[in-house]
Amino acid sequence: GAVVSQHPSWVICKSGTSVKIECRSLDFQATTMFWYRQFPKQSLMLMATSNEGSKATYEQGVEKDKFLINHASLTLSTLTVTSAHPEDSSFYICSARDGHRAYEQYFGPGTRLTVT
Amino acid sequence: GNSVTQMEGPVTLSEEAFLTINCTYTATGYPSLFWYVQYPGEGLQLLLKATKADDKGSNKGFEATYRKETTSFHLEKGSVQVSDSAVYFCALTMGTGNQFYFGTGTSLTVIP
Repeated sequence: GAVVSQHPSWVICKSGTSVKIECRSLDFQATTMFWYRQFPKQSLMLMATSNEGSKATYEQGVEKDKFLINHASLTLSTLTVTSAHPEDSSFYICSARDGHRAYEQYFGPGTRLTVT
Repeated sequence: GNSVTQMEGPVTLSEEAFLTINCTYTATGYPSLFWYVQYPGEGLQLLLKATKADDKGSNKGFEATYRKETTSFHLEKGSVQVSDSAVYFCALTMGTGNQFYFGTGTSLTVIP
């Protein structure tokens, strides 16, 4: 089946630094990728939607200058958390839509970010 | 708008007990409905799905039926195992692979 990977699976960074999270579709072309954030014991909240080759669309309340999303190819999207703060600590999950299979969307395993 | 409401947990059951996790939805059109499972420390895994009314999704002994008349997609399993302990999310999506709307998740713990 279709596989989506995320790297790294967990990362610890110091406050004020930036960290990049990669989301890759391993065996299909992902025309659209979604980035979600999951707070402890809560559901997933959509942060942004990215289409290959175009700017990401951010949900209301999500700072686009803080959470930079790049979808440069059909198999890779990156989320960069800039000037990270402890409140950015969270579980970030991406999902990728297979452009050839309606309704099929696959989730990555998630990246746990801890900002100290 | 679109939203999903699922029963709050946590739910604790003994092994071999019957499981029901309620899920209802609100949607502006005809959604596809999903159940995802998240094991501790892991990402989401698709458990089952249904794309139209009266469809029944099933996997690993879990079942859910898409009920348009009651806007529900309740998850059931006849006999739970300790390995079923996880958080279960009900979700919907509209159209072809658009964003998901998730419920708040229900934590299930199965004790031997």
